[in-house]
Amino acid sequence: EVRLVQSGAEVKKPGDSLKISCKGSGYSFTSQWIGWVRQMPGKGLEWMGIIYPGDSDTRYSPTFQGQVTISADKSINTAYLQWNSLKASDTAMYYCARRSPTGWYHDYWGQGALVTVSS
Amino acid sequence: SYELTQPPSVSVSPGQTASITCSGDKLGDNYVCWYQQKPGQSPVLVIYQNSERPSGIPERFSGSNSGNTATLTISGTQAVDEADYYCQAWDSSTVVFGGGTKLTVL
Repeated sequence: EVRLVQSGAEVKKPGDSLKISCKGSGYSFTSQWIGWVRQMPGKGLEWMGIIYPGDSDTRYSPTFQGQVTISADKSINTAYLQWNSLKASDTAMYYCARRSPTGWYHDYWGQGALVTVSS
Repeated sequence: SYELTQPPSVSVSPGQTASITCSGDKLGDNYVCWYQQKPGQSPVLVIYQNSERPSGIPERFSGSNSGNTATLTISGTQAVDEADYYCQAWDSSTVVFGGGTKLTVL
């Protein structure tokens, strides 16, 4: 069974750094792209970027390029989303999602990680 | 950047057919997929590659894509189908989501 398990909710202050995780199981983690999606409170889905854990090839949405860093550690089947300096506007639910082997769509999703940034 | 446009809301009576559109320039040249998201839950893929249903998705969900518009159709809509629906396409190595449509079953 394919599973993506994300790290828990975080409460941070503006300017803090943060790294959240997404652990894959039930499939060949190194062979499938993992994407990250933001959902701000009461808003729609926004695609942030994607990584291929096998060689760490990473693509970013222009909106998020330079704002976050996506990485992966294939030795522990885990992808990461990282901020160096959080802003209040980063408050959102963040989902990881596997890209299907057969096309550019996400067939399995993590449970989401709520990040709250507040002073 | 590529944009996908969805109506903010669609209403349907139980048992009737709901149609949710997604518009984008030459969208028919791309594959489109659709996700369903219920409150407090992660999105679920309901249609991929324009019209394919993943395992476990009821047959009442179908999709099409031609010209500049993709359509998600729910036949015999049930109360359990009330949710937000998002279309998604791929352009220049990035994924693009539509703004989402809230489907109300009343």
